[in-house]
Amino acid sequence: EVQLVQSGAEVKKPGESLKISCKGSGYSFTSYWIGWVRQMPGKGLEWMGIIYPGDSDTRYSPSFQGQVTISADKSISTAYLQWSSLKASDTAMYYCARQAAVAGEFDPWGQGTLVTVSS
Amino acid sequence: QSVLTQPPSASGTPGQRVTISCSGSSSNIGSNTVNWYQQLPGTAPKLLIYSNNQRPSGVPDRFSGSKSGTSASLAISGLQSEDEADYYCAAWDDSLNASYVFGTGTKVTVL
Repeated sequence: EVQLVQSGAEVKKPGESLKISCKGSGYSFTSYWIGWVRQMPGKGLEWMGIIYPGDSDTRYSPSFQGQVTISADKSISTAYLQWSSLKASDTAMYYCARQAAVAGEFDPWGQGTLVTVSS
Repeated sequence: QSVLTQPPSASGTPGQRVTISCSGSSSNIGSNTVNWYQQLPGTAPKLLIYSNNQRPSGVPDRFSGSKSGTSASLAISGLQSEDEADYYCAAWDDSLNASYVFGTGTKVTVL
């Protein structure tokens, strides 16, 4: 079974750093893109960017370029989303999802990681 | 800010047919395939329709998708109570800053 399992919920203070993870299993991790999607409380879905673990090719949404870093460690089939300095506005649910091609559909999705940033 | 526009809400009684529209432009829907996602309350999104009108294994055939020009539609026929959810269209956008774009989302309520 193809599965993406994300790390647990995080509570952080403004200015702190954070790295959340997404572990893939049941398929060749290096042959598919992994994308990250933000959902702020009560709001819609926003595409943040994608990475191809096979060669670390990474694409960012203009809205998130420079705000986050997407990376992957293919040796442990895990993708990451990280912040160097969190803001209260980063409070959201973050989902990872698998993508067969850059312009293709996302399937399946991880269960989500809730990030809460509050002083 | 989403570049794909959907109505904020839609509703119907059990057994009815509900249609959700998704309006885009030549750089997204007009030149790429459309996908639809269903998000049940408190859960992660799930792929419902891909490549405009294809259903993944396990998705009931009462869900169907179509595309014409720069617009797409999702139809739910034989509406059931478990279909109450948020629905999002999505497509790749080939504009200067290429990216994957989601629709604004539609909340479907079963009356």
